[in-house]
Amino acid sequence: DAGVTQSPTHLIKTRGQQVTLRCSPKSGHDTVSWYQQALGQGPQFIFQYYEEEERQRGNFPDRFSGHQFPNYSSELNVNALLLGDSALYLCASSLVVGGSTSPLHFGNGTRLTVT
Amino acid sequence: AQSVTQLGSHVSVSEGALVLLRCNYSSSVPPYLFWYVQYPNQGLQLLLKYTTGATLVKGINGFEAEFKKSETSFHLTKPSAHMSDAAEYFCAVSDGGNQGGKLIFGQGTELSVKP
Repeated sequence: DAGVTQSPTHLIKTRGQQVTLRCSPKSGHDTVSWYQQALGQGPQFIFQYYEEEERQRGNFPDRFSGHQFPNYSSELNVNALLLGDSALYLCASSLVVGGSTSPLHFGNGTRLTVT
Repeated sequence: AQSVTQLGSHVSVSEGALVLLRCNYSSSVPPYLFWYVQYPNQGLQLLLKYTTGATLVKGINGFEAEFKKSETSFHLTKPSAHMSDAAEYFCAVSDGGNQGGKLIFGQGTELSVKP
């Protein structure tokens, strides 16, 4: 039973560049959430996708965008990278059941460094 | 708005000693509460959760937590620490009463276990 998988595991980018992070949810899950975890901090919610639509969004600028595909996998895109975007980006998946969702299962994250 | 405060960014205990990690929350609705553990270079793993019902919740690896509405607390305990318990622990509250929706995380508590 495959868990949440994220790629790549590490990434180094330069300020102003764009980056795409990828996530495959746990088998059987249909909802994907993205979190940003800065060093020494707790994760912060970026957004959640269900049925290929953004359902909830946290307090992040429009430079952060996402997409969910028909197979439930998801991408997180960040444009015009800033040094402050350096963080661990966590993907989490869950399953919608009867109008509510199951607890989140997290992947191991993508470590993004912006220089 | 929901919020979480974890008291103590670092806690150190001896192997075999009691582990107590403190979490206080603020929520405008009946909360769903969670404790997650994060090992170095890994994602978050769910330790336990409170949704409704019994206020004493048992989780994996011998951890448990008690929901105290009057104190708005959800402290995590383990009777006897093991070296393998050394990790970062995060308390979280759901924003909107949905287990798999947006979670608000605390800043985290790093647990060290001395031999």
